[in-house]
Amino acid sequence: DAKTTQPPSMDCAEGRAANLPCNHSTISGNEYVYWYRQIHSQGPQYIIHGLKNNETNEMASLIITEDRKSSTLILPHATLRDTAVYYCIVPINEKLTFGTGTRLTIIP
Amino acid sequence: DSGVTQTPKHLITATGQRVTLRCSPRSGDLSVYWYQQSLDQGLQFLIQYYNGEERAKGNILERFSAQQFPDLHSELNLSSLELGDSALYFCASSVASGGPFDEQFFGPGTRLTVL
Repeated sequence: DAKTTQPPSMDCAEGRAANLPCNHSTISGNEYVYWYRQIHSQGPQYIIHGLKNNETNEMASLIITEDRKSSTLILPHATLRDTAVYYCIVPINEKLTFGTGTRLTIIP
Repeated sequence: DSGVTQTPKHLITATGQRVTLRCSPRSGDLSVYWYQQSLDQGLQFLIQYYNGEERAKGNILERFSAQQFPDLHSELNLSSLELGDSALYFCASSVASGGPFDEQFFGPGTRLTVL
């Protein structure tokens, strides 16, 4: 069972920022939070990961709350190609454990 | 393109049969992971090999087995196939044996249909 909770679906207008929340209230002090996404039946793609500090890369930003019990993935300018299922993952026994994720639909 | 290749793309077979799925990792990657994605179970970790040795086991059935060869490609063998084995099977690879900075790169998957 995944250690994270995500809304099952979200919509976002094209060109706007997409903010995807994730709860991981049982996370321990040395566990990382990972985000992957899966575009329709393709293999999952790594987006970003973080421990306690906010992280940013060319794809997204990751904001982790100070108590580390939740995080938000931000896609700053969503495009139609960002339509996908987004998985927030806290590894179990060092292995990626995918839950059901959030199905993000970008609306033109 | 992640650099991970999987063959075949599609496979249709009958119950009771045996199939082999193949995965070639990215150049330089030592770990290979296998995942199963079915409609009712989501994406499940099956097994990991690192440099030829089994590293970790997940929800892999006894009817399934895998190995990693000296050239680092891997094969997943599925036997006594059942209807419920119909799924997408993904292979992923990474540079090291795991850990927080060991990003996994996923292949395009093999779609197995058992009739």
